[in-house]
Amino acid sequence: QVQLVESGGGVVQPGRSLRLSCAASGFTFSSSVMHWVRQAPGKGLEWVAVISYDGSEKYYADSVESRFTISRDNSKNTLYLQMNSLRVEDTAVYYCAKDRCSGCRHFDYWGQGTLVTVSS
Amino acid sequence: DIQLTQSPSFLSASVGDRVTITCRASQGISSYLAWYQQKPGKAPQLLIYAASTLQSGVPSRFTGSGSGTDFTLTISSLQPEDFATYYCQHLNNYPLTFGGGTKVEIK
Repeated sequence: QVQLVESGGGVVQPGRSLRLSCAASGFTFSSSVMHWVRQAPGKGLEWVAVISYDGSEKYYADSVESRFTISRDNSKNTLYLQMNSLRVEDTAVYYCAKDRCSGCRHFDYWGQGTLVTVSS
Repeated sequence: DIQLTQSPSFLSASVGDRVTITCRASQGISSYLAWYQQKPGKAPQLLIYAASTLQSGVPSRFTGSGSGTDFTLTISSLQPEDFATYYCQHLNNYPLTFGGGTKVEIK
């Protein structure tokens, strides 16, 4: 069965960096478009970034553009989110999510999420 | 960017009730809309995509309709496991955005 397992969350000071990972199994990761979506405590969902199956195309939300970088290693079935210059408002549960199909732009499988807390 | 406005943001209903949630887009998005259900402490689950296509395994009491700017999610007969928060999401282009959510609680 499809599994997405995020890791790397934790408490970090404003301005510092953190890298999240998402280990994928149960489907052909190298053929799948992948996303990051986040949810601040008690708030709604916010799409963060997307990467094409081969990593050649990436798009970001305005709120993270130039600070966050999405990447993937298809040999390891792993998705990453490098987060630099973190801000208090980046505090959220970060989910990796699988696109239902190439170009579908919606998510049929989600991980359990990893909590990132940005605080001094 | 496309803005999605959901209404109501909160509703109280009883088991067996028919429930309708509305999502309005700031510009026309054809049928490029999805709906998700999220329970506390859990990841969202896809219910409907392309405005009206039921995701595999989702009960038929969930239906989606609409196109252009106005969309609805209807639960024909609310079940105990349906008490949750519901989100719409447009699929039109990047950046993707979600509606603010509708929390369905037990009356």
